[in-house]
Amino acid sequence: EVQLVESGGGLVQPGGSLRLSCVGSGFTFSSYSMNWVRQAPGKGLGWVSYINSDSRTMDYADSVKGRFTISRDNAKNTLYLQMNSLRDEDTAVYYCAREWGVGWRRSLDYWGQGTLVTVSS
Amino acid sequence: QSVLTQPPSASGTPGQRVTISCSGISSNIGSNTVNWYQQLPGTAPKLLIHSNNQRPSGVPDRFSGSKSGTSASLAISGLQSEDEADYYCATWDDSLNTWVFGGGTTLTVL
Repeated sequence: EVQLVESGGGLVQPGGSLRLSCVGSGFTFSSYSMNWVRQAPGKGLGWVSYINSDSRTMDYADSVKGRFTISRDNAKNTLYLQMNSLRDEDTAVYYCAREWGVGWRRSLDYWGQGTLVTVSS
Repeated sequence: QSVLTQPPSASGTPGQRVTISCSGISSNIGSNTVNWYQQLPGTAPKLLIHSNNQRPSGVPDRFSGSKSGTSASLAISGLQSEDEADYYCATWDDSLNTWVFGGGTTLTVL
């Protein structure tokens, strides 16, 4: 059974840092691209960041570029999101999601349960 | 403001058929397959439809998807109370080089 389990969320002051982790199991983690998607309280889903299977390609939403860094350790089946210079508007539940497919036919097929990040003084 | 446009709400009575629309443009829905997600209250999104109209294993055949040009639709037939949830469409955008989502549709079973 495919499982993704996030951790690392919590309360942090504006300007602070946090590192999220996502451990994958039940599949060959090193074969899949991964994404982070967030959902602010009462709001819809918003894509945050992408990393391909061998870490050669990363990308970020404009709202987090320069502040967030995505990485992965395939030996540990773990995806990370280092979040620096956090702002109030970064408050959200952060989900990791596995990406299936390539090109014109792709899907975020499995999601973790999410971890809540609250940025507040 | 979401890149993909969905109605904010939809409703139906048990047993009815309900459809939820999702509108985009050529660089997203027009060029890539559409996914639909169901998010029950307090839970993570779950993939309901991928590749426009394909159901993952375990998803009831009451759920179906379609796509035409730059629009897509999710249909739910034989509506049940357990279908009350938020539904999101999503696809890749070739111009933005990002995943894009609809704003979500809250389905109420009356």
